[in-house]
Amino acid sequence: QQQVKQSPQSLIVQKGGISIINCAYENTAFDYFPWYQQFPGKGPALLIAIRPDVSEKKEGRFTISFNKSAKQFSLHIMDSQPGDSATYFCAASMGAGGSYIPTFGRGTSLIVHP
Amino acid sequence: NAGVMQNPRHLVRRRGQEARLRCSPMKGHSHVYWYRQLPEEGLKFMVYLQKENIIDESGMPKERFSAEFPKEGPSILRIQQVVRGDSAAYFCASSASDEQFFGPGTRLTVL
Repeated sequence: QQQVKQSPQSLIVQKGGISIINCAYENTAFDYFPWYQQFPGKGPALLIAIRPDVSEKKEGRFTISFNKSAKQFSLHIMDSQPGDSATYFCAASMGAGGSYIPTFGRGTSLIVHP
Repeated sequence: NAGVMQNPRHLVRRRGQEARLRCSPMKGHSHVYWYRQLPEEGLKFMVYLQKENIIDESGMPKERFSAEFPKEGPSILRIQQVVRGDSAAYFCASSASDEQFFGPGTRLTVL
């Protein structure tokens, strides 16, 4: 079964610190790796995504690092803020030739203390 | 440009009743996906539809669950004879390619 393993399950960070969430996948056919942010009672929202042709993508305080050989990717949140407190999900999917159905990690609950 | 819309946002049903969840995709999106989320768990894929076609229903329970995406109108996820284990948040997402946009979800509670 195609799996995406996400860690840690929960993370507590002080305001201004760096939050790091890791994911590992098995299927080398995956070619799209999004991260979603979900606040309580809301639907997931796309935060940032990467394709395997680059090793890093940065958008504001959010950075994805991608290691194709290790089949791992991670989300870094720089200067973490209390407003970043949410659940974060990584995912992986196959685009062209696939069906774009993402396989999700189990999620990481992030708490940023003020 | 309205996002993905789902209704109702909250739905309470008694065991044995039917639940109908509706999803209107973003304008221009022809792909709809349904997911189920249990507390403290990730999103579990249920079904992928395009207009008038079910593309992949590998995550859908074989009994009591069905989905459709008609030529006109919203996509509907239908759960017949609900049981307490069906209580969950159900999300739909729409896409035009590989980027999916999620709706706010329907929280189903089965009494």
